[in-house]
Amino acid sequence: ELRLLESGGGLVQPGGSLRLSCAASGFSFGSYAMNWVRQAPGKGLEWVSTMSGATGSTFYADSVKGRFTISRDNSKNTVFLQMNSLRPDDTAIYYCAKDLVIAAPTAFDHWGQGTLVTVSS
Amino acid sequence: EVVLTQSPDFQSVTPKEKLTITCRASQSVGSSLHWYQQKPDQSPKLLIKYASQSISGVPSRFSGSGSGTDFTLTINSLEAEDAATYYCHQSSRLPRTFGQGTKVEIK
Repeated sequence: ELRLLESGGGLVQPGGSLRLSCAASGFSFGSYAMNWVRQAPGKGLEWVSTMSGATGSTFYADSVKGRFTISRDNSKNTVFLQMNSLRPDDTAIYYCAKDLVIAAPTAFDHWGQGTLVTVSS
Repeated sequence: EVVLTQSPDFQSVTPKEKLTITCRASQSVGSSLHWYQQKPDQSPKLLIKYASQSISGVPSRFSGSGSGTDFTLTINSLEAEDAATYYCHQSSRLPRTFGQGTKVEIK
């Protein structure tokens, strides 16, 4: 069974840092691009970042570029999101999501349960 | 950035009714348009891929159509369990974007 399990969320002060993790199982992790998508309380979905499986290329939303860094450890089937210089508008549930197909931007076919990040003093 | 605009924002429907949700893109996304269902306190779930392709395990009452800039999600014979928020999403261009969501209430 395919599973994605996020961890690392919590309460952090503005300007602080947090590192999210997403542990994957049940598929050939290294072959697929992995993504982070967030959802502010009561709001819609916002794509945050993608890291490809094959090339390790990374992509970011303008709202997080220069502050967030996505990385992955294919030996541990885990993708990370390092979040620095956090702002109150970064408060959201952060979901890890898997690309549907290899080697092309596509739909997100599996999602984790999400981890809540709250940025507040 | 490709802006996706869904309509309506909210719809209240009775069971067995048919519902159509539209998603309009600010520029062509070809068929790289996907639909998700999100129930309260749950993660999103992929319903339709590439505008009209079905997903294994998703009830056949869910269908999609369209290409280019105009897309529709149709739910035939709505059931109580279909109460949720529905989102469209494009993967044609970066940044990947989502529609604002359509909340569906079952009367």
